[in-house]
Amino acid sequence: GNSVTQMEGPVTLSEEAFLTINCTYTATGYPSLFWYVQYPGEGLQLLLKATKADDKGSNKGFEATYRKETTSFHLEKGSVQVSDSAVYFCALTPWGETSGSRLTFGEGTQLTVNP
Amino acid sequence: DVKVTQSSRYLVKRTGEKVFLECVQDMDHENMFWYRQDPGLGLRLIYFSYDVKMKEKGDIPEGYSVSREKKERFSLILESASTNQTSMYLCASSGGSPWGNTIYFGEGSWLTVV
Repeated sequence: GNSVTQMEGPVTLSEEAFLTINCTYTATGYPSLFWYVQYPGEGLQLLLKATKADDKGSNKGFEATYRKETTSFHLEKGSVQVSDSAVYFCALTPWGETSGSRLTFGEGTQLTVNP
Repeated sequence: DVKVTQSSRYLVKRTGEKVFLECVQDMDHENMFWYRQDPGLGLRLIYFSYDVKMKEKGDIPEGYSVSREKKERFSLILESASTNQTSMYLCASSGGSPWGNTIYFGEGSWLTVV
């Protein structure tokens, strides 16, 4: 079946540090890939997405590139802020399924950014 | 503005009680979902619905049922609550267009079963 694996957390960084959160997936074909963010006390928000190989999703300074050859979708940001402290989830929708159906999530990575 | 509203943020119920978690979306979305979120396990799909009165089992449907009598409302039902159902429950919705549409989440309902 489909699965998503994220790097183990939690991750603690100082403000303006470089961030990488690793995400790899197992799925047939060409799934769509997503990063969601959950701020304290809130639901999940879509951060970025990519729907085909070599696509780069970007939003709010975050980027992730769909790498079919390594089945990865690592999240990066060049300079994190305290306000980026949140839980980040990598997720996929299987190839060929309709919009939003059966999102499969990774375990989530807690990011804490200290001033 | 996009809105998925879950009726209760925090609930405490006793073992064996029947529990209803309500979710309403105001975006006229066809698709609605219920997930549970547990530390170390991420989010797991319980049930989803593509249309009124339609439901499909997700990955962990045991111990749960759902109801969708109106397009905007999707209810999760725990027929007889147990302590292993203590969790955060997240409702979500998405539109009916070809895949790639954004899924919108509610703020979550924290359920504690004692």
